[in-house]
Amino acid sequence: EVQLVESGGGLVQPGRSLRLSCTASGFTFGDYAMSWVRQAPGKGLEWVGFIRSKAYGGTTEYAASVKGRFTISRDDSKSIAYLQMNSLKTEDTAVYYCTRDRGYSGYDSWGQGTLVTVSS
Amino acid sequence: SYELTQPPSVSVSPGQTARITCSGDALPKQYAYWYQQKPGQAPVLVIYKDSERPSGIPERFSGSSSGTTVTLTISGVQAEDEADYYCQSADSSGAVFGGGTKLTVL
Repeated sequence: EVQLVESGGGLVQPGRSLRLSCTASGFTFGDYAMSWVRQAPGKGLEWVGFIRSKAYGGTTEYAASVKGRFTISRDDSKSIAYLQMNSLKTEDTAVYYCTRDRGYSGYDSWGQGTLVTVSS
Repeated sequence: SYELTQPPSVSVSPGQTARITCSGDALPKQYAYWYQQKPGQAPVLVIYKDSERPSGIPERFSGSSSGTTVTLTISGVQAEDEADYYCQSADSSGAVFGGGTKLTVL
């Protein structure tokens, strides 16, 4: 069974940093791209970015709203994807989900999400 | 980046057919995906590549595409289908989601 578990969320002050982790199990992690999607309280889904598998260069893409502040990385030996968030703003407050990205087959598995609250 | 437009809400009685639309200029060239999200839960993929249904998704969920509009159809709606539904596609910059549609089962 595919499982994705996010961790690392919490309360952080504006301008500070936070790193989220997504621990995967039940599939060959290194074979898949991984994406992050967030949802502000009471709002819709917003794509944050993704990282390709090593077979496709392990490169990353980001939404304009986080580019230059957020970095996605992966450790295939541990089956973990990371979301490093720097220079956090109040508008980054959201539940952050990691997803298995199957390209044309969509985001077929999601974690339960972790809440990030940016507030002074 | 381009936008996907969904109606904020759709209401339907049990047993009837619900149709949720999603419009976007790039949809003729890009696949669309649909996700169901119930309160307090993570989204679930219900349709991919415009009209394909993942394993485990009931047959009453179907998808179609026509020009710049894609449609999620739920036939014989059940109370458990009450949820928020999001369409998703992509452009050269990455993925984009519609604003979401709240499906109410009367």
